[in-house]
Amino acid sequence: SQTIHQWPATLVQPVGSPLSLECTVEGTSNPNLYWYRQAAGRGLQLLFYSVGIGQISSEVPQNLSASRPQDRQFILSSKKLLLSDSGFYLCAWSPPRRAGYTFGSGTRLTVV
Amino acid sequence: SQQGEEDPQALSIQEGENATMNCSYKTSINNLQWYRQNSGRGLVHLILIRSNEREKHSGRLRVTLDTSKKSSSLLITASRAADTASYFCATDQTSYDKVIFGPGTSLSVIP
Repeated sequence: SQTIHQWPATLVQPVGSPLSLECTVEGTSNPNLYWYRQAAGRGLQLLFYSVGIGQISSEVPQNLSASRPQDRQFILSSKKLLLSDSGFYLCAWSPPRRAGYTFGSGTRLTVV
Repeated sequence: SQQGEEDPQALSIQEGENATMNCSYKTSINNLQWYRQNSGRGLVHLILIRSNEREKHSGRLRVTLDTSKKSSSLLITASRAADTASYFCATDQTSYDKVIFGPGTSLSVIP
């Protein structure tokens, strides 16, 4: 069966520090991969999505970036975090025809 | 906005009652999906209904889709305290190459 792993679960980082969040999928090949951010009590904001290795589409210009070095690995990064980067980050995957997303358990990022 | 909009934003009911949440959207879709999110957790896919379907059932869940009104509803029958969560609709829009999530409905089921 397919599983998705996202870590860490919580992270407290100082302003200006770098960020690396990792997401891996098991049990499927060539998934579509997504990074979302969710502000407290709000809906999901799509940050990046990828339909293949090295293929990244950015939805919102900001100081975050994403990379897909392997088929089932998706990484969210920042060189210098801002206070406004705080939030709940969710990784998800879907089959290429987008028939339902499977989400990771999320990372609660607090920038202090 | 391209996203779906859930209604109401918040809903509080007694255990055993039915809960109905609605979702409206603006453009034509391939399918519409409903998700549940428990506090501080990831989203869980509940049900997907395709644009050529009008109703789907899964356990205590019933989803309807009216493409002429661009709306969908999620009915949870005989609610339980464990149903307390936020519920999101997501639309796979034909003119937009990704799924768009609405802001969600927060459901509280009081024991």
